[in-house]
Amino acid sequence: AAGVIQSPRHLIKEKRETATLKCYPIPRHDTVYWYQQGPGQDPQFLISFYEKMQSDKGSIPDRFSAQQFSDYHSELNMSSLELGDSALYFCASSFTGTGTYNEQFFGPGTRLTVL
Amino acid sequence: KNQVEQSPQSLIILEGKNCTLQCNYTVSPFSNLRWYKQDTGRGPVSLTIMTFSENTKSNGRYTATLDADTKQSSLHITASQLSDSASYICVVSANNAGNMLTFGGGTRLMVKP
Repeated sequence: AAGVIQSPRHLIKEKRETATLKCYPIPRHDTVYWYQQGPGQDPQFLISFYEKMQSDKGSIPDRFSAQQFSDYHSELNMSSLELGDSALYFCASSFTGTGTYNEQFFGPGTRLTVL
Repeated sequence: KNQVEQSPQSLIILEGKNCTLQCNYTVSPFSNLRWYKQDTGRGPVSLTIMTFSENTKSNGRYTATLDADTKQSSLHITASQLSDSASYICVVSANNAGNMLTFGGGTRLMVKP
């Protein structure tokens, strides 16, 4: 079965550079979520989109922005990168339908390293 | 504040043995509780998901229980295998929080031969 696809899987950037992470949800899923997981930490919710509109906002820094496109894929744009942004970034998708629990299916993650 | 606490933080067991992981939550109003398995550096993979009315749910060698009155859940792993070594994360969803999830700190399980 198709899963959530994230690209790239690994990314190395210098401080103050920008990065763009991409997420392709499971087909027919209408909601995309972004999480940041630091070393040894819980995933922290950043932001979510439902039907291409921002639906919830968590602890996303102002330096980050995200959007969901017409084909439902989403991109997380990160600017002025800091060392503390080094983390695993997960994307999850869900389908908002009766009886689905809105279960979130996670992608494999993008490991961002800021040097 | 919604919180999810898991115990133990880490656990080492021998291959073939059983183990039980615990999860206590204060998320309200409760919608559902999920157990995820997360291998190091990889995305969480759903094991079970339970709503208020479900007490037990199994997925192969994994059996989750839920006591909505005491707000406790457990994940029991039988006949452990080396591939069970991973972090097991309890995640609770609240009815009034859209699809936002509250993550527990996870239990790091290591299965040794």
